[in-house]
Amino acid sequence: DQQVKQNSPSLSVQEGRISILNCDYTNSMFDYFLWYKKYPAEGPTFLISISSIKDKNEDGRFTVFLNKSAKHLSLHIVPSQPGDSAVYFCAASVGGATNKLIFGTGTLLAVQP
Amino acid sequence: AAGVIQSPRHLIKEKRETATLKCYPIPRHDTVYWYQQGPGQDPQFLISFYEKMQSDKGSIPDRFSAQQFSDYHSELNMSSLELGDSALYFCASTWTGRGTEAFFGQGTRLTVV
Repeated sequence: DQQVKQNSPSLSVQEGRISILNCDYTNSMFDYFLWYKKYPAEGPTFLISISSIKDKNEDGRFTVFLNKSAKHLSLHIVPSQPGDSAVYFCAASVGGATNKLIFGTGTLLAVQP
Repeated sequence: AAGVIQSPRHLIKEKRETATLKCYPIPRHDTVYWYQQGPGQDPQFLISFYEKMQSDKGSIPDRFSAQQFSDYHSELNMSSLELGDSALYFCASTWTGRGTEAFFGQGTRLTVV
Protein backbone atom coordinates (compact mmCIF):
# COMPACT_ATOMS: atom_id res chain seq x y z
CA ASP A 1 0.00 0.00 0.00
CA GLN A 2 1.74 3.12 -1.27
CA GLN A 3 0.95 5.85 1.24
CA VAL A 4 2.90 8.51 -0.64
CA LYS A 5 2.45 8.67 -4.38
CA GLN A 6 4.20 10.57 -7.12
CA ASN A 7 2.14 9.83 -10.19
CA SER A 8 4.53 11.40 -12.68
CA PRO A 9 7.60 9.23 -13.10
CA SER A 10 9.27 11.91 -15.22
CA LEU A 11 9.03 15.57 -16.13
CA SER A 12 10.87 17.62 -18.76
CA VAL A 13 11.11 21.40 -18.46
CA GLN A 14 12.97 24.13 -20.33
CA GLU A 15 15.67 26.04 -18.49
CA GLY A 16 14.29 29.19 -16.91
CA ARG A 17 10.73 27.89 -16.73
CA ILE A 18 8.87 26.61 -13.71
CA SER A 19 9.07 22.96 -12.65
CA ILE A 20 6.11 21.63 -10.70
CA LEU A 21 6.42 18.26 -9.03
CA ASN A 22 3.37 16.73 -7.41
CA CYS A 23 2.82 14.35 -4.55
CA ASP A 24 -0.30 12.80 -3.04
CA TYR A 25 -0.65 10.97 0.24
CA THR A 26 -3.30 8.81 1.84
CA ASN A 27 -2.40 8.77 5.54
CA SER A 28 -4.10 11.67 7.32
CA MET A 29 -1.74 11.18 10.28
CA PHE A 30 1.21 12.55 8.31
CA ASP A 31 2.15 15.90 9.79
CA TYR A 32 5.50 16.65 8.21
CA PHE A 33 6.46 16.57 4.56
CA LEU A 34 9.83 16.79 2.88
CA TRP A 35 11.33 16.90 -0.58
CA TYR A 36 14.63 15.24 -1.33
CA LYS A 37 16.71 15.43 -4.48
CA LYS A 38 18.77 12.48 -5.59
CA TYR A 39 21.55 12.22 -8.15
CA PRO A 40 22.66 8.81 -9.42
CA ALA A 41 25.08 7.01 -7.09
CA GLU A 42 24.44 9.53 -4.31
CA GLY A 43 22.18 9.60 -1.29
CA PRO A 44 19.05 11.76 -1.14
CA THR A 45 19.76 15.42 -0.36
CA PHE A 46 17.28 17.35 1.74
CA LEU A 47 15.72 20.27 -0.14
CA ILE A 48 12.77 21.73 1.71
CA SER A 49 10.10 20.72 4.18
CA ILE A 50 6.74 21.82 5.47
CA SER A 51 4.77 21.18 8.61
CA SER A 52 1.09 20.38 8.37
CA ILE A 53 0.27 23.59 10.21
CA LYS A 54 1.45 25.56 7.20
CA ASP A 55 0.33 25.66 3.61
CA LYS A 56 3.43 27.15 2.04
CA ASN A 57 7.15 27.24 2.66
CA GLU A 58 9.66 29.01 0.48
CA ASP A 59 13.43 28.74 0.27
CA GLY A 60 15.08 30.55 -2.60
CA ARG A 61 14.00 29.01 -5.89
CA PHE A 62 12.08 26.24 -4.10
CA THR A 63 8.54 26.53 -2.76
CA VAL A 64 6.46 23.74 -1.31
CA PHE A 65 2.68 24.00 -1.17
CA LEU A 66 0.52 21.80 1.03
CA ASN A 67 -3.21 21.24 0.51
CA LYS A 68 -4.29 19.14 3.48
CA SER A 69 -7.90 18.78 2.41
CA ALA A 70 -6.77 17.28 -0.88
CA LYS A 71 -3.87 15.40 0.72
CA HIS A 72 -1.63 16.92 -1.92
CA LEU A 73 1.65 18.75 -1.94
CA SER A 74 3.73 20.19 -4.70
CA LEU A 75 7.25 21.48 -5.18
CA HIS A 76 7.78 24.49 -7.42
CA ILE A 77 11.23 25.29 -8.76
CA VAL A 78 11.56 28.72 -10.33
CA PRO A 79 13.56 29.31 -12.43
CA SER A 80 14.59 25.77 -13.33
CA GLN A 81 18.27 25.19 -14.02
CA PRO A 82 20.03 22.28 -15.77
CA GLY A 83 21.68 21.41 -12.44
CA ASP A 84 18.23 20.71 -11.03
CA SER A 85 18.00 17.59 -13.20
CA ALA A 86 17.69 14.71 -10.75
CA VAL A 87 15.15 12.39 -9.16
CA TYR A 88 12.92 14.17 -6.65
CA PHE A 89 11.40 12.21 -3.80
CA CYS A 90 8.49 13.37 -1.74
CA ALA A 91 8.50 12.00 1.83
CA ALA A 92 6.16 12.18 4.80
CA SER A 93 6.32 11.38 8.48
CA VAL A 94 4.09 11.15 11.52
CA GLY A 95 5.29 13.11 14.54
CA GLY A 96 7.70 15.52 12.93
CA ALA A 97 10.95 15.65 11.03
CA THR A 98 12.85 13.12 13.11
CA ASN A 99 10.56 10.15 12.70
CA LYS A 100 10.80 7.57 9.96
CA LEU A 101 10.12 8.77 6.46
CA ILE A 102 7.68 7.23 4.02
CA PHE A 103 8.88 7.97 0.51
CA GLY A 104 7.10 8.37 -2.76
CA THR A 105 8.36 6.60 -5.86
CA GLY A 106 10.17 9.63 -7.21
CA THR A 107 9.94 11.89 -10.25
CA LEU A 108 12.83 12.25 -12.67
CA LEU A 109 13.16 15.91 -13.60
CA ALA A 110 15.07 16.81 -16.74
CA VAL A 111 15.78 20.50 -17.29
CA GLN A 112 16.65 21.15 -20.90
CA PRO A 113 19.17 23.96 -21.65
CA ALA B 1 30.64 20.30 6.88
CA ALA B 2 30.85 16.65 7.87
CA GLY B 3 28.22 14.42 6.31
CA VAL B 4 26.91 10.93 6.96
CA ILE B 5 29.60 8.43 6.06
CA GLN B 6 28.76 4.94 4.91
CA SER B 7 31.13 2.09 4.24
CA PRO B 8 31.74 0.28 2.11
CA ARG B 9 30.35 2.06 -0.94
CA HIS B 10 30.07 -1.16 -2.89
CA LEU B 11 29.85 -4.75 -1.73
CA ILE B 12 29.51 -7.99 -3.64
CA LYS B 13 28.53 -11.11 -1.73
CA GLU B 14 27.39 -14.59 -2.63
CA LYS B 15 24.10 -16.11 -1.59
CA ARG B 16 24.00 -17.29 2.02
CA GLU B 17 26.97 -15.12 2.97
CA THR B 18 26.86 -12.37 5.56
CA ALA B 19 27.45 -8.65 5.14
CA THR B 20 28.06 -5.78 7.54
CA LEU B 21 27.31 -2.21 6.54
CA LYS B 22 28.59 0.68 8.60
CA CYS B 23 27.23 4.17 9.12
CA TYR B 24 28.86 7.14 10.82
CA PRO B 25 26.32 9.89 11.49
CA ILE B 26 26.91 13.61 11.42
CA PRO B 27 28.60 14.71 14.68
CA ARG B 28 26.05 15.48 17.42
CA HIS B 29 23.30 13.62 15.61
CA ASP B 30 21.72 11.16 18.01
CA THR B 31 19.43 9.21 15.70
CA VAL B 32 20.33 6.85 12.88
CA TYR B 33 17.99 5.37 10.29
CA TRP B 34 18.52 2.60 7.76
CA TYR B 35 16.66 2.49 4.45
CA GLN B 36 16.71 -0.04 1.61
CA GLN B 37 16.14 1.01 -1.98
CA GLY B 38 15.61 -1.78 -4.49
CA PRO B 39 16.00 -1.23 -8.24
CA GLY B 40 13.36 1.23 -9.45
CA GLN B 41 11.84 1.42 -5.97
CA ASP B 42 11.45 4.11 -3.37
CA PRO B 43 13.57 3.92 -0.22
CA GLN B 44 11.94 1.69 2.39
CA PHE B 45 12.50 2.23 6.10
CA LEU B 46 14.21 -0.66 7.86
CA ILE B 47 15.09 0.37 11.41
CA SER B 48 16.15 3.35 13.51
CA PHE B 49 18.08 4.00 16.70
CA TYR B 50 17.92 6.91 19.13
CA GLU B 51 20.62 7.24 21.74
CA LYS B 52 21.78 3.68 21.07
CA MET B 53 18.33 2.16 21.60
CA GLN B 54 16.11 0.87 18.83
CA SER B 55 13.43 3.49 18.32
CA ASP B 56 11.40 2.16 15.40
CA LYS B 57 11.28 -0.86 13.17
CA GLY B 58 10.01 -1.21 9.65
CA SER B 59 10.10 -3.95 7.08
CA ILE B 60 13.40 -5.43 8.19
CA PRO B 61 13.82 -9.17 7.63
CA ASP B 62 14.63 -11.34 10.63
CA ARG B 63 17.91 -12.19 8.91
CA PHE B 64 18.99 -8.59 9.42
CA SER B 65 20.02 -7.00 12.68
CA ALA B 66 21.42 -3.63 13.57
CA GLN B 67 22.77 -1.69 16.48
CA GLN B 68 24.06 1.72 17.41
CA PHE B 69 27.29 1.93 19.35
CA SER B 70 28.50 4.27 22.09
CA ASP B 71 30.13 6.56 19.51
CA TYR B 72 26.74 6.71 17.72
CA HIS B 73 27.91 4.84 14.65
CA SER B 74 25.62 2.07 13.50
CA GLU B 75 26.07 -1.27 11.80
CA LEU B 76 23.57 -3.25 9.77
CA ASN B 77 24.30 -6.96 9.81
CA MET B 78 22.77 -9.09 7.10
CA SER B 79 22.97 -12.88 7.18
CA SER B 80 21.91 -15.67 4.83
CA LEU B 81 21.94 -13.21 1.98
CA GLU B 82 19.44 -13.71 -0.82
CA LEU B 83 19.46 -12.39 -4.38
CA GLY B 84 16.55 -10.13 -3.44
CA ASP B 85 18.71 -8.34 -0.88
CA SER B 86 20.58 -6.67 -3.71
CA ALA B 87 19.82 -3.00 -3.24
CA LEU B 88 21.12 0.39 -2.20
CA TYR B 89 21.24 0.72 1.56
CA PHE B 90 21.09 4.25 2.90
CA CYS B 91 21.85 5.44 6.35
CA ALA B 92 20.49 8.78 7.55
CA SER B 93 20.96 10.74 10.75
CA THR B 94 19.15 13.48 12.61
CA TRP B 95 19.55 15.47 15.77
CA THR B 96 16.28 14.58 17.44
CA GLY B 97 16.72 17.16 20.17
CA ARG B 98 16.85 19.90 17.54
CA GLY B 99 14.21 18.41 15.27
CA THR B 100 16.44 18.51 12.22
CA GLU B 101 15.56 16.80 8.99
CA ALA B 102 17.28 13.57 8.04
CA PHE B 103 20.57 13.81 6.21
CA PHE B 104 21.51 10.80 4.13
CA GLY B 105 24.79 9.11 3.39
CA GLN B 106 25.85 8.18 -0.11
CA GLY B 107 24.68 4.63 0.35
CA THR B 108 26.14 1.16 0.07
CA ARG B 109 25.32 -0.77 -3.05
CA LEU B 110 25.03 -4.42 -2.14
CA THR B 111 25.03 -6.97 -4.91
CA VAL B 112 24.25 -10.58 -4.05
CA VAL B 113 25.32 -13.10 -6.69
